[in-house]
Amino acid sequence: DGGITQSPKYLFRKEGQNVTLSCEQNLNHDAMYWYRQDPGQGLRLIYYSQIVNDFQKGDIAEGYSVSREKKESFPLTVTSAQKNPTAFYLCASSIFGHSNQPQHFGDGTRLSIL
Amino acid sequence: ILNVEQSPQSLHVQEGDSTNFTCSFPSSNFYALHWYRWETAKSPEALFVMTLNGDEKKKGRISATLNTKEGYSYLYIKGSQPEDSATYLCAFGGATNKLIFGTGTLLAVQP
Repeated sequence: DGGITQSPKYLFRKEGQNVTLSCEQNLNHDAMYWYRQDPGQGLRLIYYSQIVNDFQKGDIAEGYSVSREKKESFPLTVTSAQKNPTAFYLCASSIFGHSNQPQHFGDGTRLSIL
Repeated sequence: ILNVEQSPQSLHVQEGDSTNFTCSFPSSNFYALHWYRWETAKSPEALFVMTLNGDEKKKGRISATLNTKEGYSYLYIKGSQPEDSATYLCAFGGATNKLIFGTGTLLAVQP
């Protein structure tokens, strides 16, 4: 079945450690997105990519980094510079990066600080 | 700062009741309005994407309307069933190709 796979489902980070969240899609979509959800807030955009080898900062990019070396993959690294990384992270994709295209989501990764 | 607001924050209804939620969004630089259903332990699922003022879309017992001039959209559920229990998210799409999400309406349908 076509879809988006995020791994791991749960992730724990020690202080000062970088961690990478995986997002893979087999929908042949050009655009991919990373969102963060905190209690009482809407999904907030961290980074997005409209095409391979290109990505743009979203609204809360500080402390995060991404790469888009393959169409299928858009990993997110939470660096030690992100002071409040505990949150639920969702990856999404769309056929192309226009706001009139529905987004397809993964099941999410919950990141916690040890 | 663009703001998308949803009301109510949560809603408890009995099976068979009809219900509706509101999404308010900026009326300028409008490209699209999205509705998603997010069930517990699952991923958000796209319900509708609407782009034209006056659009009405329907999927089974769920329908949505759009007023871009005044900046609001309604989502209606006719004859709610327990399987409709979920968080319903709306998202505003503007000229930047990014979506701005509301905080959602949590619907609980009691059998």
